[in-house]
Amino acid sequence: QKEVEQNSGPLSVPEGAIASLNCTYSDRGSQSFFWYRQYSGKSPELIMSIYSNGDKEDGRFTAQLNKASQYVSLLIRDSQPSDSATYLCAVNPSGSNTGKLIFGQGTTLQVKP
Amino acid sequence: DVKVTQSSRYLVKRTGEKVFLECVQDMDHENMFWYRQDPGLGLRLIYFSYDVKMKEKGDIPEGYSVSREKKERFSLILESASTNQTSMYLCASTSGGTYPYEQYFGPGTRLTVT
Repeated sequence: QKEVEQNSGPLSVPEGAIASLNCTYSDRGSQSFFWYRQYSGKSPELIMSIYSNGDKEDGRFTAQLNKASQYVSLLIRDSQPSDSATYLCAVNPSGSNTGKLIFGQGTTLQVKP
Repeated sequence: DVKVTQSSRYLVKRTGEKVFLECVQDMDHENMFWYRQDPGLGLRLIYFSYDVKMKEKGDIPEGYSVSREKKERFSLILESASTNQTSMYLCASTSGGTYPYEQYFGPGTRLTVT
């Protein structure tokens, strides 16, 4: 069973701090990795994708991938109360050419003013 | 921008009714997916389709069927709705065949079966 694990949280950080969200996956052959943000009652919104080892930055967001450790993380700099949401990690498993993703359960982030 | 739309945001149906949930995408994506999301259980894949008239079961297909007659439209059918099918239903689409398989979601349909 291919799995994606996240700490459910809640992760609480003060406004302006760096929030660090972590995800591990079991399928060593996975090639592409995604972070989604989901506000309460809304659908998931894609915020970052990463395919190569290392860091990928987009505004206040940085995704980090370490395939050897089977670990992907999302850093949110200068966290704002509007970043309070559930963050879902998703992985495209090896052997899948249909675009199927395996989702983690999500980490709830609370940014306190 | 990719746009995925779903026919209803909120739906209330009675036990035993046949329910149709519709999803339309405007990006010419080959692959479309239906999920349900419940508190504590995360996103669970019901069915997906990788081409017109082609479908595969996901992790929880029991009690559901799907239809894909046109590339842009993917329908989820609850043949005889039951209260345990009360949930948030999410449709997603992605381009097929090649990396990177970014999935884009519709706004969701919150279905209540009474």
